[in-house]
Amino acid sequence: KQEVTQIPAALSVPEGENLVLNCSFTDSAIYNLQWFRQDPGKGLTSLLLIQSSQREQTSGRLNASLDKSSGRSTLYIAASQPGDSATYLCAVTDSWGKLQFGAGTQVVVTP
Amino acid sequence: EADIYQTPRYLVIGTGKKITLECSQTMGHDKMYWYQQDPGMELHLIHYSYGVNSTEKGDLSSESTVSRIRTEHFPLTLESARPSHTSQYLCASSGEGVFTDTQYFGPGTRLTVL
Repeated sequence: KQEVTQIPAALSVPEGENLVLNCSFTDSAIYNLQWFRQDPGKGLTSLLLIQSSQREQTSGRLNASLDKSSGRSTLYIAASQPGDSATYLCAVTDSWGKLQFGAGTQVVVTP
Repeated sequence: EADIYQTPRYLVIGTGKKITLECSQTMGHDKMYWYQQDPGMELHLIHYSYGVNSTEKGDLSSESTVSRIRTEHFPLTLESARPSHTSQYLCASSGEGVFTDTQYFGPGTRLTVL
């Protein structure tokens, strides 16, 4: 059974620092990996989707890497801002086409 | 921004009541999903649908039921709510391809059963 783990569970950084969020998964037979952002009391917003054949994906200040063989993905957020404060979730699409989520990393960026 | 809506956003009800959580999307997506999320915990898939008249149970056992009579509408029903059903329920949809597409989420319904 696929297990998705996110470390750390919580992270606090001063504004301007780069953020590094880690995600690991136990079954490398995935079809893609997605990073989401969740704000309190709201739904999820998709940030990046990396296909299993890709090594990384970039969008603005966000960059996500994928190493399928070692079961790892890393989300980098450059020059963090207070507006980046949220919970970040990673999810893998399994062989049945369904998402398996990690528990998330709660990020606080202090001014 | 994705057009997927959930109502109500918040619901507080007593034990034994029947409730229906609404989810609708205007993107014409074939696939729709219901997730349950307890505070600080990961999302768990409880129901999904690949199209009209298609419904399947997810990984997490749930006493709820769903229906998919129209492409845009995917309601979730609890026949008799209990305190153990207290949670956040998130609806999502996706469109292109079987495994390669992005899922778009609604804002969620926070349910409290007293």
